[in-house]
Amino acid sequence: AQSVTQLGSHVSVSEGALVLLRCNYSSSVPPYLFWYVQYPNQGLQLLLKYTSAATLVKGINGFEAEFKKSETSFHLTKPSAHMSDAAEYFCAVSVPVSGGYNKLIFGAGTRLAVHP
Amino acid sequence: DTGVSQDPRHKITKRGQNVTFRCDPISEHNRLYWYRQTLGQGPEFLTYFQNEAQLEKSRLLSDRFSAERPKGSFSTLEIQRTEQGDSAMYLCASSPRQIDTQYFGPGTRLTVL
Repeated sequence: AQSVTQLGSHVSVSEGALVLLRCNYSSSVPPYLFWYVQYPNQGLQLLLKYTSAATLVKGINGFEAEFKKSETSFHLTKPSAHMSDAAEYFCAVSVPVSGGYNKLIFGAGTRLAVHP
Repeated sequence: DTGVSQDPRHKITKRGQNVTFRCDPISEHNRLYWYRQTLGQGPEFLTYFQNEAQLEKSRLLSDRFSAERPKGSFSTLEIQRTEQGDSAMYLCASSPRQIDTQYFGPGTRLTVL
């Protein structure tokens, strides 16, 4: 069965420091992987997605993620954290199901705190 | 492209009451999804529509839940005889193709007293 594990429910970094949010997936088929960000009381906004093209994916707001098949990982990074990056981040895998559609399976999320 | 919209944004109801939420997907997106997100968790899939056809329902969707997409455009999610355990954020998403990105609305936060 497909699943997503996000290591660390809370991550705290200083402004200007490297951001690293970890995501490991389990999938029986080549996965499509996504990172979404959620600000308080809002819906999910797509940061980036991997769909079997380049393994290093660049997204919005300076975020990027690298797909590593051997490690079944899709970690999210940003070289320099900004106060506005404080939010909840969700990793998701898109899996095909019968009927010809895909559904998203999400990890439990990582709350990122950025302090001055 | 105005994005996915959901109404209402917040709903407070008493246990036992019925509630209905509405989702308007991005125009021309034929695929529509409902998810539920409880506090501290990631969203969980509830149901999926392709045009007006409901093709999949999660086991999370008890008999008290019903969803419709009558003309393949907007969708409604109704919860009958609400319970406190139904308190959650209900998210709607739409996408234009099978493996394309799902675009999420702002959600409807339901509180059952």
